Amino acid sequence: NAGVTQTPKFQVLKTGQSMTLQCAQDMNHEYMSWYRQDPGMGLRLIHYSVGAGITDQGEVPNGYNVSRSTTEDFPLRLLSAAPSQTSVYFCASRKAYNEQFFGPGTRLTVL
Amino acid sequence: TQLLEQSPQFLSIQEGENLTVYCNSSSVFSSLQWYRQEPGEGPVLLVTVVTGGEVKKLKRLTFQFGDARKDSSLHITAAQPGDTGLYLCAVAGGTSYGKLTFGQGTILTVHP
Repeated sequence: NAGVTQTPKFQVLKTGQSMTLQCAQDMNHEYMSWYRQDPGMGLRLIHYSVGAGITDQGEVPNGYNVSRSTTEDFPLRLLSAAPSQTSVYFCASRKAYNEQFFGPGTRLTVL
Repeated sequence: TQLLEQSPQFLSIQEGENLTVYCNSSSVFSSLQWYRQEPGEGPVLLVTVVTGGEVKKLKRLTFQFGDARKDSSLHITAAQPGDTGLYLCAVAGGTSYGKLTFGQGTILTVHP
C-alpha cells in the first residue's frame, strides 16, 4: 500500500492564481481530511469528508473548496490564492474510530 | 482560545534527561491522541488514551490521561536525539469521529 499520497510536494503561486492540491489513499478509508499547519498553530482542519459525495467544513474553510467523487481521492482547490494561504498542507485518512494516517504534505508559498 | 493548550511550546534538553509535555483543556473528552511529527513529514500516531486515569507505555514514553479526562501528559525517560520532533495532542470533535482538533504542539530538541 502507498498509504496517503499528496502532490505536488512544493508549489509557488502568485496572488490570485488558482490550483488544486491532490490527495489519494489506497486503504479504503471512509474519512478524509485536509489540514494546514502554520508555526505555533498546530494543525487546523480545513475541510473533511465522511465518504464519497459527503463533505463538510472544518475550522478554517474560507478560500478553499473540496469534493469527494471517489473513496480514494480528495482534492483541495484554492480558488484565488492569497499570501495568508502560505502554509504546509496535510491530507489525512482514517477508518471510523481508528488511527489517522497523514500524507507527506505540500509546502505552498503564495507571493 | 485554544481547545487544547500544550506546554511547554519549546523544550531543548541534553541526551539522557527526562521530560514531560502537557496537554490541557477545560473540556471533557472521550479519548485523546498523541502524535509525533518529524521535519518534512506528516504526523504519526503514537497512542490513543480512552479511560480516565489510564497510563500507556511505549518503550521510554509514558502517556497518562487525567482522571477527569480533561488533560494528558507525555513523559519521556532518558531522552535520545532520535526523540527530537514536534509532539502534538489531538481530540476527536463533533459528531464525526473523522474530525481532529490539535494542540499547538511542543517542539522537542534533544542534543547529543
